[in-house]
Amino acid sequence: DTGVSQDPRHKITKRGQNVTFRCDPISEHNRLYWYRQTLGQGPEFLTYFQNEAQLEKSRLLSDRFSAERPKGSFSTLEIQRTEQGDSAMYLCASSPVDGLYGYTFGSGTRLTVV
Amino acid sequence: AQSVAQPEDQVNVAEGNPLTVKCTYSVSGNPYLFWYVQYPNRGLQFLLKYITGDNLVKGSYGFEAEFNKSQTSFHLKKPSALVSDSALYFCAVRDDRNTDKLIFGTGTRLQVFP
Repeated sequence: DTGVSQDPRHKITKRGQNVTFRCDPISEHNRLYWYRQTLGQGPEFLTYFQNEAQLEKSRLLSDRFSAERPKGSFSTLEIQRTEQGDSAMYLCASSPVDGLYGYTFGSGTRLTVV
Repeated sequence: AQSVAQPEDQVNVAEGNPLTVKCTYSVSGNPYLFWYVQYPNRGLQFLLKYITGDNLVKGSYGFEAEFNKSQTSFHLKKPSALVSDSALYFCAVRDDRNTDKLIFGTGTRLQVFP
């Protein structure tokens, strides 16, 4: 098992474009989480899944953000009509059943909106 | 509302000396508390957690943390610091009445000097 994988590692996009990130969790992990981290801040919760079900979504997340985990394995996070304020590191994590076991984080996808 | 405070942006300590990284929290219910570490160019790694039971919890790499309910604190400690401990440390909290999301602090950079 190679841990949590995120793709791409870096993404530069023009304002107004759509972007999609992918996360492959540890295979036996049922829970998958998305967080966003900006410079000088801690990770900020976006959403999480139990298998294919999206259990919670942050109220801070605008309608431009959507996440899916269609088969309960990998997940995608899409941002539509990107804005400069979306520039951040997008982190994916997984855990076996519940986050009380501790998350395993991926290395993140760094998004730069120009 | 849940919140976490890490009052020190940076902590400097000489190798071999004990270290403490401070964290205070606020939750409505009982807290679940975590420490994560972020090394340069690497993802966040789980260090330790407090769920219930003994107030002193031990984690990876010789770190430990003490839960103090009356002071609403969860300080990270290590008896003897190593240069390789230099990294960014995040405290996080989860309310036992909420669903599975973490609220992270802003992080404390630990610098251990030879």
